[in-house]
Amino acid sequence: NAGVTQTPKFQVLKTGQSMTLQCAQDMNHEYMSWYRQDPGMGLRLIHYSVGAGITDQGEVPNGYNVSRSTTEDFPLRLLSAAPSQTSVYFCASSEQGFGYTFGSGTRLTVV
Amino acid sequence: SQKIEQNSEALNIQEGKTATLTCNYTNYSPAYLQWYRQDPGRGPVFLLLIRENEKEKRKERLKVTFDTTLKQSLFHITASQPADSATYLCALEDNAGNMLTFGGGTRLMVKP
Repeated sequence: NAGVTQTPKFQVLKTGQSMTLQCAQDMNHEYMSWYRQDPGMGLRLIHYSVGAGITDQGEVPNGYNVSRSTTEDFPLRLLSAAPSQTSVYFCASSEQGFGYTFGSGTRLTVV
Repeated sequence: SQKIEQNSEALNIQEGKTATLTCNYTNYSPAYLQWYRQDPGRGPVFLLLIRENEKEKRKERLKVTFDTTLKQSLFHITASQPADSATYLCALEDNAGNMLTFGGGTRLMVKP
């Protein structure tokens, strides 16, 4: 099993550009989520989904969009990248009552 | 506001000793409390989950306690090894099971 796969691993964007961070899981988990991790701030929840067609906002949703058309995929879209979105992004999946499986992360730099 | 606190200072211990990490929370009624390990440049890895009605959970050299009255969890690694050196994250999941909120993590350094 691949678990949770994130692409790309690294990305540099210019301010104002848009892009999509991909996340796929092969464990048939209903729950998926996106976090960003910044030094001194820990992991903060951006958006989450409890199943296909259902998404909701986390702690820091501004500047990001998500959709969940299938159980397997949960892409994160940056609409107009800003330097404040420079961070490491992690996708995770789980079933309620069980631990989360995280991807290996995407390191994003916005210049 | 909800807050999850872990000691931000690194914990340095000698190999073979028991490491004890603390997680305190306020303004929260979690259904589950989880502990993760994170190595530099990697994603968090799930270690243990304990439910609100459980006092203690063990897995090999790991032990977690959960005191909902004190609003505190303790994470123990017995017979610690240099390979246990990492950052350990505490996380709380609410009753709806929709959001997992993390503490800032504590870095553990085990010296040979």
